Amino acid sequence: DAGVIQSPRHEVTEMGQEVTLRCKPISGHNSLFWYRQTMMRGLELLIYFNNNVPIDDSGMPEDRFSAKMPNASFSTLKIQPSEPRDSAVYFCASSLTVLGGYTFGSGTRLTVV
Amino acid sequence: GESVGLHLPTLSVQEGDNSIINCAYSNSASDYFIWYKQESGKGPQFIIDIRSNMDKRQGQRVTVLLNKTVKHLSLQIAATQPGDSAVYFCAENRGNTDKLIFGTGTRLQVFP
Repeated sequence: DAGVIQSPRHEVTEMGQEVTLRCKPISGHNSLFWYRQTMMRGLELLIYFNNNVPIDDSGMPEDRFSAKMPNASFSTLKIQPSEPRDSAVYFCASSLTVLGGYTFGSGTRLTVV
Repeated sequence: GESVGLHLPTLSVQEGDNSIINCAYSNSASDYFIWYKQESGKGPQFIIDIRSNMDKRQGQRVTVLLNKTVKHLSLQIAATQPGDSAVYFCAENRGNTDKLIFGTGTRLQVFP
């Protein structure tokens, strides 16, 4: 298995532009998580899905952020409009059960200038 | 103005020595704990886990200790190697959800 696949690895965009981050979870995993990592706040859970349904989005910072999971093999995290304070590394992770932990992707480093 | 960021605690150890990384967790209802290792430019990677009905669990070169009385978790790495240099996070789970809440992390530096 190729693991959790995120794209792009790096994204540089101008303030005000729309940004879409993509994630392909491990086949067979039924839970998917989006985390954001910054020096200010560490690793924060933004949202998670179970069987493609959003279960908890209490970590989503504001309405500019949205996430979708149209099927079991794909999820997106969208920021519109982007702001410099959104600059961070965004991780996607998937799991079959929390026991044994999640498998993380390599992350997308987002820079908003 | 100046921004205040997380100041990661750093543990520096000599190659071959044992390392102990500590973590205080927040919720007495948490019943499952994981240690993750994050190398530069990579996502966190599972190391070892422990359930709240245990106070010790051993893996290969690693041991996790859990003290529920004081809500404290530690990771012991035996014979630390340069490849162990990374940031280590503890994560806690409350059994009624699939959420993992991560601690702030500790940077381990191994010098020859």
